[in-house]
Amino acid sequence: EDKVVQSPLSLVVHEGDTVTLNCSYEVTNFRSLLWYKQEKKAPTFLFMLTSSGIEKKSGRLSSILDKKELFSILNITATQTGDSAIYLCAVELLGTNAGKSTFGDGTTLTVKP
Amino acid sequence: GAVVSQHPSWVICKSGTSVKIECRSLDFQATTMFWYRQFPKQSLMLMATSNEGSKATYEQGVEKDKFLINHASLTLSTLTVTSAHPEDSSFYICSASRGRGNTIYFGEGSWLTVV
Repeated sequence: EDKVVQSPLSLVVHEGDTVTLNCSYEVTNFRSLLWYKQEKKAPTFLFMLTSSGIEKKSGRLSSILDKKELFSILNITATQTGDSAIYLCAVELLGTNAGKSTFGDGTTLTVKP
Repeated sequence: GAVVSQHPSWVICKSGTSVKIECRSLDFQATTMFWYRQFPKQSLMLMATSNEGSKATYEQGVEKDKFLINHASLTLSTLTVTSAHPEDSSFYICSASRGRGNTIYFGEGSWLTVV
């Protein structure tokens, strides 16, 4: 059975801290790994990772994938209260309809002022 | 702006009635769309894959007669929750992709409350 596991499940930090969110996976046919941020409504896309070792960056957020060890991390530097959200990791599989994804349980990040 | 649109954003219905939720791709054709449900403080659970012009593919444990999916055009999929019960109250989200290797877009989600 395909599995995506995120850790920690929740995290509380103060503004300015740096956080690292983890995502490990066990799937039969990996196509890509995706990170999303979910606030009150539907998830918003952050990153899509397909190759090992290539860091993707967007402002204070960055992410990298290790296909050998089957995990990815999402880093957020200099956190702000607006970063408080649920961060979801999902794996898209080969041989399936484009866009079909298995999600982890998410990490709830709370950034305190 | 939104690439995938969902409607309604929230709906309250009585037990036993049916509710339809629409998911539209706004500037691309989506032969496949996906329906998820999410309970509070839980992750997204894939319910079914909606295939344009053919039957939906349901995930294990999801009742196809209860959650009717219709994908009659390349830009619209609908999810109908039939004979709704309070335990069907949840956040329902659809998603679609322009194609393999492309970003997956989510609709805004629909909150369903069954009273």
